[in-house]
Amino acid sequence: SQTIHQWPATLVQPVGSPLSLECTVEGTSNPNLYWYRQAAGRGLQLLFYSVGIGQISSEVPQNLSASRPQDRQFILSSKKLLLSDSGFYLCAWSKDRMAFFGQGTRLTVV
Amino acid sequence: RKEVEQDPGPFNVPEGATVAFNCTYSNSASQSFFWYRQDCRKEPKLLMSVYSSGNEDGRFTAQLNRASQYISLLIRDSKLSDSATYLCVGHGSSNTGKLIFGQGTTLQVKP
Repeated sequence: SQTIHQWPATLVQPVGSPLSLECTVEGTSNPNLYWYRQAAGRGLQLLFYSVGIGQISSEVPQNLSASRPQDRQFILSSKKLLLSDSGFYLCAWSKDRMAFFGQGTRLTVV
Repeated sequence: RKEVEQDPGPFNVPEGATVAFNCTYSNSASQSFFWYRQDCRKEPKLLMSVYSSGNEDGRFTAQLNRASQYISLLIRDSKLSDSATYLCVGHGSSNTGKLIFGQGTTLQVKP
């Protein structure tokens, strides 16, 4: 069966510090991978999606970046966090269009 | 116009009520739609797929109306445990596998 791992679950980072969130998928090959962000009380905002290794589509211009160094690994990064980067970050994978989510990382930038 | 739009609610209903949510989409070429449920501070979880012929799973019925470009979710005999945010998802206009979620509709079922 397929599983998705996302870590850490919670993170508190100072403004201006770097960020690296990692997501890995098991039990499938060549999935579509996604990073979403959800601000408190708001909907899911698609940040990046990837249909293959090294193929990243960015949806929102901002100080975040994503990379897919391996087929089932998706990394979200920032060189310098802003207060506005606080939120609930969700990684997801899909095949046949149904998406399945990791448990999310709750990021607080202070 | 947003690619997928939902009424955020909240919908406050008594136990046992029937409640329906609609979600409109702008990409007429979209093929697949789904409903997700998200509990507070948790990740969204797949609730059910949406087919043109309608899809029923217990108290839940999902329907796709291609002519009017909307999908619906009907919940019968609401339970307290149905309280959550319900998200619909469709494809982005480029139809390259990008999944776009609506902002979600919040349901509160009261005793």
